[in-house]
Amino acid sequence: GAGVSQTPSNKVTEKGKYVELRCDPISGHTALYWYRQSLGQGPEFLIYFQGTGAADDSGLPNDRFFAVRPEGSVSTLKIQRTERGDSAVYLCASSVGQYNEQFFGPGTRLTVL
Amino acid sequence: AQRVTQPEKLLSVFKGAPVELKCNYSYSGSPELFWYVQYSRQRLQLLLRHISRESIKGFTADLNKGETSFHLKKPFAQEEDSAMYYCALSTGANSKLTFGKGITLSVRP
Repeated sequence: GAGVSQTPSNKVTEKGKYVELRCDPISGHTALYWYRQSLGQGPEFLIYFQGTGAADDSGLPNDRFFAVRPEGSVSTLKIQRTERGDSAVYLCASSVGQYNEQFFGPGTRLTVL
Repeated sequence: AQRVTQPEKLLSVFKGAPVELKCNYSYSGSPELFWYVQYSRQRLQLLLRHISRESIKGFTADLNKGETSFHLKKPFAQEEDSAMYYCALSTGANSKLTFGKGITLSVRP
């Protein structure tokens, strides 16, 4: 079956602009996670959804970052007033069941000029 | 708060040599530990998890609670093992993963 997909694969934007990053999880996976990976670092947690609700948003760095999952499937990560420091690869993962095996998407590489 | 430390950034070995990728963690409860791998131009994927106690592609990892370690080992490295390896910790079902910074394993012919 299809794995986790993310669009776009690359996004270049200018400082101050708004961007949306999309994640399509594996069908039937109730849990969805967003991570951010900067150069030379491991992925860092941003937010976790269980169904439609954000169960843990403790990793969002500030109020410019927001994510939604209105129907419990596709999720969108929204970044307002982008800054150069937001440049990173944004990863999405989904899982189901008790063993927390998270399946990752290919990521979206965001570059803020 | 939990933390995962991978003390080395790069390990370069010859084919057939043993490999040990180090991972230490800090967490006051009972963690779940994972190793994820990213091959060139591929997505991050699960290699193994401590609760399974299985060997994948010849790799094993044992959780040592006394030393708070979860080192990844393979007795004879293969060229196709060259990749980026991340150790990760979870505090329970459906909870976030906390990753280390990762280590690049390079296996030379």
